[in-house]
Amino acid sequence: AQSVTQLGSHVSVSEGALVLLRCNYSSSVPPYLFWYVQYPNQGLQLLLKYTSAATLVKGINGFEAEFKKSETSFHLTKPSAHMSDAAEYFCAVKAGGYNKLIFGAGTRLAVHP
Amino acid sequence: GAVVSQHPSWVICKSGTSVKIECRSLDFQATTMFWYRQFPKQSLMLMATSNEGSKATYEQGVEKDKFLINHASLTLSTLTVTSAHPEDSSFYICSALGGGTSETQYFGPGTRLLVL
Repeated sequence: AQSVTQLGSHVSVSEGALVLLRCNYSSSVPPYLFWYVQYPNQGLQLLLKYTSAATLVKGINGFEAEFKKSETSFHLTKPSAHMSDAAEYFCAVKAGGYNKLIFGAGTRLAVHP
Repeated sequence: GAVVSQHPSWVICKSGTSVKIECRSLDFQATTMFWYRQFPKQSLMLMATSNEGSKATYEQGVEKDKFLINHASLTLSTLTVTSAHPEDSSFYICSALGGGTSETQYFGPGTRLLVL
């Protein structure tokens, strides 16, 4: 069975600082992994996805994530935080042969001036 | 590309009434759509998988007679909350699978339901 754990329900960084949001997965098959962002009262927007191609995935808004099989991790990073990055971030894994997504609990990112 | 819309964006209704929420894929065909429920400051909970032309598949614990799902076309799925009660108040989000890839879900903006 697939599962996702996001370490840290809240992360706070200063504007211009590195953003690191952690995601560990469990999967019995090679996983497809996703990061989504949700702004208040809105749906989810796809940031990036890993589908067994390059292990370093670049997404929108300057975000990237690296798939590390040995660590079962797919952490999201951005070199320099912007105020507009403040939002809720969800890591998700595709559930095996099904098209369902299993979501992590989410990490709320706060960016301070 | 890959835009999903939901209507209405918010709705207030009286207890005991039914509410229909529409989910549309605007620029692609989606044979599969999903309905999620999200409580404040929590993650998304999958309610059901909607497949065009067939019955929806509900997750364990979701009442199929209360949350009616119809996927009548390749661009439209509807969720009807029947005999709504205050505990049904929530944020409902749909997603559609496709838009050129088979593994990516594209999400609608969500519908906030408040049952009085």
